[in-house]
Amino acid sequence: GNSVTQMEGPVTLSEEAFLTINCTYTATGYPSLFWYVQYPGEGLQLLLKATKADDKGSNKGFEATYRKETTSFHLEKGSVQVSDSAVYFCALSEPSGSARQLTFGSGTQLTVLP
Amino acid sequence: ETGVTQTPRHLVMGMTNKKSLKCEQHLGHNAMYWYKQSAKKPLELMFVYSLEERVENNSVPSRFSPECPNSSHLFLHLHTLQPEDSALYLCASSQQRGSIEQYFGPGTRLTVT
Repeated sequence: GNSVTQMEGPVTLSEEAFLTINCTYTATGYPSLFWYVQYPGEGLQLLLKATKADDKGSNKGFEATYRKETTSFHLEKGSVQVSDSAVYFCALSEPSGSARQLTFGSGTQLTVLP
Repeated sequence: ETGVTQTPRHLVMGMTNKKSLKCEQHLGHNAMYWYKQSAKKPLELMFVYSLEERVENNSVPSRFSPECPNSSHLFLHLHTLQPEDSALYLCASSQQRGSIEQYFGPGTRLTVT
C-alpha cells in the first residue's frame, strides 16, 4: 500500500534561517505529491503540488521537487518567517476507485522564533 | 460563502448525546471526505463520497454515521461516542476528474466528556 514518511518534529528555527522538511513516499504507481500546511486553529491548506517526476512545486517562497529516483519530495524555504509557524503535511494521491484519496504523513510542527 | 465550511467549529458532548457535524462546499466539486485528526497521529480518512455515493468506509465504528444528501453537503451523525473520539474532524472536497487536490474546511473540534 501507499505510505508517506516525513521527518519528525518539532522543528524550531530562527527567523531568516533555511528550512528543509524531508518527505519520502512509497506508492504502487505514479502518484501526485503535495505539501499541505495547517496554521493554528485552522484546517489544512494546499501549499504546493507536483504531478510528475522532476516537477517543482512552489508557493510563498516554499519549493519541493518530485524525485522519482529517491522517492522524495522534500520541502525547502530559503528564509523562514515567524508567520510560517505551522504544521506541515506531506501527502500523495493516487486514483482509487471513483475518487482520489490522499495518504498523509504524520506532520511536522515548525516554530519560527523572531 | 466560499470554499469549504464546517459547523459547528467547536462541540462538547456527553457520551449519551446525539449530534451532527455539517460540511458544505461551494466549489462545484463532486467528491467529499471526512477525516479524523487526533493529537500525534496522522490524518485518518473516515469516509469518501463520490457523486453522493459512499465509496470508502475505512473500518469506522458504527457510532459514526455519514450522510450525503447532495454533492454540496455532507453530514457526520454522532451517537454514543467515547472519550477517545475527541479530535478535530475535517471535511474536504475535490473533483473526481481534473483538479487533483483536496480542499479542506476549518474543522470541528469535538470533545466527548
